Parts: sequence; structure tokens; C-alpha cells
Amino acid sequence: DAGVTQSPTHLIKTRGQHVTLRCSPISGHKSVSWYQQVLGQGPQFIFQYYEKEERGRGNFPDRFSARQFPNYSSELNVNALLLGDSALYLCASSHTGLAGYFGEQYFGPGTRLTVT
Amino acid sequence: AQSVTQLGSHVSVSEGALVLLRCNYSSSVPPYLFWYVQYPNQGLQLLLKYTTGATLVKGINGFEAEFKKSETSFHLTKPSAHMSDAAEYFCAVSGASGNTGKLIFGQGTTLQVKP
Repeated sequence: DAGVTQSPTHLIKTRGQHVTLRCSPISGHKSVSWYQQVLGQGPQFIFQYYEKEERGRGNFPDRFSARQFPNYSSELNVNALLLGDSALYLCASSHTGLAGYFGEQYFGPGTRLTVT
Repeated sequence: AQSVTQLGSHVSVSEGALVLLRCNYSSSVPPYLFWYVQYPNQGLQLLLKYTTGATLVKGINGFEAEFKKSETSFHLTKPSAHMSDAAEYFCAVSGASGNTGKLIFGQGTTLQVKP
């Protein structure tokens, strides 16, 4: 089976612009989480979506939004880009087990966003 | 609130030597703990996980970790380092015992393996 895929691989945007990042989870996985990884740091949680509903949100401004589609793929949108949004954006998917346990997360290769 | 602290942002070992990467966590509920590895310009790969049960967990590529509740630690070890082990390693804790898709990561430890 294919792993988590993300597109595009790299992206260069200008301050103030908008960006959309895409993620396709592993087949059968219904949960998608998004993370931002700034150079030299650990990933920071942005959002989790499960069954097309937001299940969790990290400490990010409202410029960040996301959604999940009926096929469980997901988009992360960032408006009014700032220089500080430059980072690797990671998508992870997981299945659900008993008692709502989301299981280990499997990560995609990420989208490298550079804001100039 | 939960948090993870990785002691040592950079660890250097010789090929064939023991690898020890330290991770301490803080959690008000029983934690689920994970170690991930990240190679340059790639995503994160799961090495191993602890949820419940046996406190010594074995992962891929010869790595293992031991959950010690009394020390709030989950250190990663490998008996003999290989050049291919050079990478960034992240310890992570899952919120609310896995009932959420949120992982909280440490700052990471860069492992250098010298020939």
C-alpha cells in the first residue's frame, strides 16, 4: 500500500499570499493530523481531522485552516503568509481502534514552504 | 499539560558503540510514547511505541526503549551504532492516552556516527 502522500513537495510564496497544501492518507486511515516543523525544532501540532470533522487544534492563528474530504484526504490553508510561516509542513494519518484510540501516526514526506 | 524533554540536542558516537538518546516526559495521565526518526529532507518514520503492557519495547533497525514510570523516562538505545543511524530522532507523547490525534514532540536529538 502507498504511504501518506503530500503535494506539492516544495513551494515558494511571497508575504501576504495564500497557500494550499494537500495530503492523502494511507488507505483505510480516517484521521489526518497536520504539523509545522520549523528548522531545528520538533514538529508542532496544527490540526487533527477525523471523519471530516475537526477534532483538535493547536496554538496557531486563525490564518491557518484545514478541511477533510469524503475520501479522507485533507487540505491545509494558510492565509496572509508571514516570513515565520516558512517551515516543513507534515501530514500524518492514523487508523482508529478500540475506545477511540487513534494509534500511531504515519507521516508523509512533507511540503517545504518558503515565504519570501 | 503534557511535554517532552530530550536531553542533548546533539549526540556523537563511534560506529559499533552504544547509542543512548534520552527522553523525559511530563503527563498527568498514562502516556503513550513514541520515537520517530527523520532523515534529511524526509518525513518522520516510526521507530517504536509504548502504549500499555511490557515496558521494554523493541522497534525497527535494532532500536529499543524502556518506559520507566518512576523516572518519567523513555530512553532510546541501540547496542551497536551503524553509519546509517545518523539522523534526527524525536521523542513524542500522545495526549490523553492516545484518544487524540495530537502528538507532542521533543526538540529532537541529532545523532552523529563517526567511522
